[in-house]
Amino acid sequence: SQWGEENLQALSIQEGEDVTMNCSYKTYTTVVHWYRQDSGRGPALIILIRSNEREKRSGRLRATLDTSSQSSSLSITAAQCEDTAVYFCATSSSSFSKLVFGQGTSLSVVP
Amino acid sequence: DMKVTQMPRYLIKRMGENVLLECGQDMSHETMYWYRQDPGLGLQLIYISYDVDSNSEGDIPKGYRVSRKKREHFSLILDSAKTNQTSVYFCASRAGTEVFFGKGTRLTVV
Repeated sequence: SQWGEENLQALSIQEGEDVTMNCSYKTYTTVVHWYRQDSGRGPALIILIRSNEREKRSGRLRATLDTSSQSSSLSITAAQCEDTAVYFCATSSSSFSKLVFGQGTSLSVVP
Repeated sequence: DMKVTQMPRYLIKRMGENVLLECGQDMSHETMYWYRQDPGLGLQLIYISYDVDSNSEGDIPKGYRVSRKKREHFSLILDSAKTNQTSVYFCASRAGTEVFFGKGTRLTVV
């Protein structure tokens, strides 16, 4: 899982497998953002889930949010090699002004 | 196509030198950010700017200052760079709930 005192996690899976990455956060948040970062690039938003949503889907991505346990997850169905990246969760205040990132999960999808 | 541009992409400086990292966005976003990224630590917020001359410290502002004289430009300044400021620096701007990042500047202080 990301956050807390954990270091960057690394996962390696085979193409076609499903994968879930977890994130826990310490402070109250109204939105959990999931970003992916490709090598040599800045992070890019892939999915966002609000506190009044338990689940959000976008293509092969599925994000969940449990505000009672202050945790979120990102699942990728039938992972492909191009899903190889570092995935970050981030939280923001109600004004969305400050985005606080977790340490990230490095996902490697191999053929 | 929304774009955040950072210059330079790579920079090597000697300890004690001054460093200027520049960032531009062509979207007229009010809010802009500077983050640094170190291996295994994710992105850490240095400064936020809410508009011209309206800047606020982030989580790790020590050793840095910023300047925003035009909405489209946001600069990060390191006065007398230190070796522990070696990092990748990302500038970003916000539109609603989405934050757009530049490609980063890799700064090495030797």
